[in-house]
Amino acid sequence: QLHLQESGPGLVKPSETLSLTCTVSGGSIITSDHYWAWIRQSPGKGLEWIMSSYYSGSIYYNPSLESRVTFSADTSKNKFSLKLTSVTAADTAIYYCARDMATGGTADFDYWGQGILVTVSS
Amino acid sequence: SSELTQDPTVSVALGQTVTITCQGDILTKFYASWYQQKPGQAPLLVIYHGNKRPSGIPDRFSASDSGNTASLTITGTQAEDEADYYCSSRGGGASHYWVFGGGTKLTVL
Repeated sequence: QLHLQESGPGLVKPSETLSLTCTVSGGSIITSDHYWAWIRQSPGKGLEWIMSSYYSGSIYYNPSLESRVTFSADTSKNKFSLKLTSVTAADTAIYYCARDMATGGTADFDYWGQGILVTVSS
Repeated sequence: SSELTQDPTVSVALGQTVTITCQGDILTKFYASWYQQKPGQAPLLVIYHGNKRPSGIPDRFSASDSGNTASLTITGTQAEDEADYYCSSRGGGASHYWVFGGGTKLTVL
């Protein structure tokens, strides 16, 4: 059974960089069958897809966030990461990592982490 | 348009059938997927690629589409089905750009 777990600071100051890591267990991130994704949810609001990527690249971004986000993967530790620069209060959200099924044409995320709340505040 | 529109709230009597809808121009070209989210939990994929159920999802969950509307139907609704439901699909012409609907809160009476 695949398990994903987010980790990182729960509080980030405005204008700084938000950095989160997703540790995957029960399966390898080295696969060409799936992407690895980040999705966020502002408090009390809906879901927003941030990006999806193969472990080796081929990164797809939400156009509204593309200029501020970076994806990276550490295959030796079976982890992948998100960096979001120049954060503001609007970036306060629960951040989820997930597996993107890459079924082609549909947004299918079949495994999710429990989520981590990141608050942007001074 | 990249927007997906859902009714904010829907209610259903225990044991009855309920349909939750999702509207958007993109749905005339691409399938929707559906997620269930209970308070304090991560979303759970209940329908993918239009009408497929992941392993472990009860067969009372089904989906269909017509024109610019995708629908999630729960037949014989159980108390544990009370949750928020989100549709998702492509955000536009880009091949890998996903958007979610605003969500529907399902109340089981």
